[in-house]
Amino acid sequence: GQQVMQIPQYQHVQEGEDFTTYCNSSTTLSNIQWYKQRPGGHPVFLIQLVKSGEVKKQKRLTFQFGEAKKNSSLHITATQTTDVGTYFCAGAYNFNKFYFGSGTKLNVKP
Amino acid sequence: DTGVSQNPRHKITKRGQNVTFRCDPISEHNRLYWYRQTLGQGPEFLTYFQNEAQLEKSRLLSDRFSAERPKGSFSTLEIQRTEQGDSAMYLCASGRTTTNEKLFFGSGTQLSVL
Repeated sequence: GQQVMQIPQYQHVQEGEDFTTYCNSSTTLSNIQWYKQRPGGHPVFLIQLVKSGEVKKQKRLTFQFGEAKKNSSLHITATQTTDVGTYFCAGAYNFNKFYFGSGTKLNVKP
Repeated sequence: DTGVSQNPRHKITKRGQNVTFRCDPISEHNRLYWYRQTLGQGPEFLTYFQNEAQLEKSRLLSDRFSAERPKGSFSTLEIQRTEQGDSAMYLCASGRTTTNEKLFFGSGTQLSVL
């Protein structure tokens, strides 16, 4: 069935180090979104990518959508303790329902 | 946006009992989604509505689960004859029907089936 795979499951970094999480689908996506969930909280929307090869930046966060629209990545430069949380990608196949990846839990040591 | 509201925040029930959760989406949002999340996993799609019409229901969803959105506003999710495997966080999200649709999640209802 349609599924979005996400790696790694966990990432522990020292504050100031970079972080990247990857999502992959076996089928072409119509669009992909990224969410952040803080411990004990609910997912909060970060960004949406729609176009093939699209790259978007939000301060220290860089989001990419692959040329084939089957993979995506989120890269955080110079992590801070406020970046702690779980990052989820959510892919859609016809702009309707979103399939969430299993998430990457980021821990940042000060 | 006043936010997506879910009630109750927590529900503890005994196996075999029925439970009902409520979601009040952001008022101008015509799409409403139900997801289920267990510890360490991403939200799992259950069903979604566009206005009052239920457009899709996950094939993984048992017949014990039913959802309604009678007037295209709030929605309810009912689980009949609960099982311990139903224990999870049930999340509601709403959005608009555009290609730039982003989902706004509620705080969820944490269900514990004893």
